[in-house]
Parts: sequence; structure tokens; C-alpha cells
Amino acid sequence: DGGITQSPKYLFRKEGQNVTLSCEQNLNHDAMYWYRQDPGQGLRLIYYSQIVNDFQKGDIAEGYSVSREKKESFPLTVTSAQKNPTAFYLCASTSGQGDLPDTQYFGPGTRLTVL
Amino acid sequence: GENVEQHPSTLSVQEGDSAVIKCTYSDSASNYFPWYKQELGKRPQLIIDIRSNVGEKKDQRIAVTLNKTAKHFSLHITETQPEDSAVYFCAASIRNYGGSQGNLIFGKGTKLSVKP
Repeated sequence: DGGITQSPKYLFRKEGQNVTLSCEQNLNHDAMYWYRQDPGQGLRLIYYSQIVNDFQKGDIAEGYSVSREKKESFPLTVTSAQKNPTAFYLCASTSGQGDLPDTQYFGPGTRLTVL
Repeated sequence: GENVEQHPSTLSVQEGDSAVIKCTYSDSASNYFPWYKQELGKRPQLIIDIRSNVGEKKDQRIAVTLNKTAKHFSLHITETQPEDSAVYFCAASIRNYGGSQGNLIFGKGTKLSVKP
């Protein structure tokens, strides 16, 4: 899982601002995911992308946007429409190929705090 | 869609004792069940996984059992140590042979505390 990086580690946002969280992987994985983690809530899927130039909404996509212009990169933008964005954000990736289930590897996370 | 429930939400054991965490899932088509360990402030890391064609899998002090009929699977940690203290998440997904992998659906986690 060392092949996935996220930046920044900590991010502070003022109300009304859009912020972008970076996720990069050098594992040559096709599929990438964004999760939000709140205390006691587990991991909830925001967006996912199975292939370059394609992405799908997860369970809690409102107030977020993504792009997948390159295989290695899947940035997440937290928009001002997200009313409660303070959380720990995790990016993950999987190979997405073959017939057997493959491991989902996580990045180190970004902790976003709204001031 | 799939729903995964995990129990208990917190678990405290004495060092050396065993710990068991249980998860149930709703979609009988789910065929892949990983377990992740997350230490405070760190990323989740896969510790063990099981596929639906296997009933039990063991890796040193960690084992996972799967009951497809009852749609539940469990994590067993024996001879617990203080470094086992963390939050543990179960998950379920569907892998379609020749197709794409379904998304992981996570349980809400179990906070395990191992007292020295």
C-alpha cells in the first residue's frame, strides 16, 4: 500500500471554499476510490473510477466532485455545497482486473477540518 | 444493495485472551470478505481475507470463518497482544468472474482494546 500517496496530510478550509485533495498511485491500478470516515461510521464511498475518464457516484457523492484524467491520479474536490466536510478522507485503489477478488490498498489519508 | 453489520462496536480483552468479531451480510451473491485493521490516525491495512469457496482461513494468530448459509463471517484473534489494539473493519463485495469487482461495503468497525 506504499504505492498510494495522498496530500496534504492535514487541510483546513474556511466555510464557502472549495478544496481539492490529491491521490496518486504508482501501482498501475485501474480502479480508484474515495471514502469518507467519520467516528463510528466506518468507511463510506464517495466516488469511484474503474477506468480513466470514467467515474461513478458512491453512496454520499453530494457536495463532492472528482476527475480521472490520468490512470495514476484521482483528485477529490470538496465543494462549498458539502455542509459537513470535516472528516478523514481515504483514497484507495485495486487492480480491477482478472477473475479473482483483489486487495484494495489505501492511502495514508487526509484530515480535513472546516474552520 | 449489500448491507454489512458488525458486532460488537467495542471489545476489551486481557492480553493473552482471544477476541472474536462478527459480521453479517445481506446479499447472498457476495463472494469476497476482507478484514482491515486501522490504528489511530493511520490507513486501514488488510490483515486477512476469505473467498466464498472457502470456509476458514488462518494466518498465524488470525483466522476468519465464513458461513454462507447464515451469511455471516467472523474474525478470530488468539493470544492477543497490546499491539493488536486497533479498529477492525469487515467488508463484503461481489466479484463477477470475467467482469468487474463490485465495491466493498464496510461494517462500522470494532474498537479492540487489549489490556496488558
